[in-house]
Amino acid sequence: GAVVSQHPSRVICKSGTSVKIECRSLDFQATTMFWYRQFPKQSLMLMATSNEGSKATYEQGVEKDKFLINHASLTLSTLTVTSAHPEDSSFYICSAREPTLTGELFFGEGSRLTVL
Amino acid sequence: AQSVTQLDSQVPVFEEAPVELRCNYSSSVSVYLFWYVQYPNQGLQLLLKYLSGSTLVESINGFEAEFNKSQTSFHLRKPSVHISDTAEYFCAVSEVGFQKLVFGTGTRLLVSP
Repeated sequence: GAVVSQHPSRVICKSGTSVKIECRSLDFQATTMFWYRQFPKQSLMLMATSNEGSKATYEQGVEKDKFLINHASLTLSTLTVTSAHPEDSSFYICSAREPTLTGELFFGEGSRLTVL
Repeated sequence: AQSVTQLDSQVPVFEEAPVELRCNYSSSVSVYLFWYVQYPNQGLQLLLKYLSGSTLVESINGFEAEFNKSQTSFHLRKPSVHISDTAEYFCAVSEVGFQKLVFGTGTRLLVSP
């Protein structure tokens, strides 16, 4: 199957700093990528839909200025957590839609953010 | 809008015993259904999916799920579990066309010797 890679897998930062997480589709071009957030022992919550070449579509309740999403190319989307605070600590997972007839979604390995 | 209910937050089972993880969904339109597995500190791996056709779908590692439209269910089953099956299992639904995936709250399968 298709491969989606996230980097970094783990990041620890100080409160007030910004952190960038990359999501790459390694063997296919993805016009649409999705960013999810997962709290401990909970399900995945969709944060935003990232569309190549246009602005991301954010879900209700997600702060656009806090979570900046850039889909600069057909194989890369980035999520930047700006001025991170401890409550932003979470597991962030991206997925990319394969541009076939079924448009199946493939998920990255996830990135665990810890804000001190 | 779609929603998914996984009633069991945790299912303990002994090795080699059968298991069923329940999933019910709600939708006013036709849907695709999925089961994903998540091992600790890892992303999600697709276990199996129902898009169309046969209502019984199987994975390569012995899991199967049956789409039951009348009961709006997509329960996951395995006749004999292994220790290595211990993980979190998520049921998910999307409208036909993969617009968005909506996940259930997950079921933690704990397999003990």
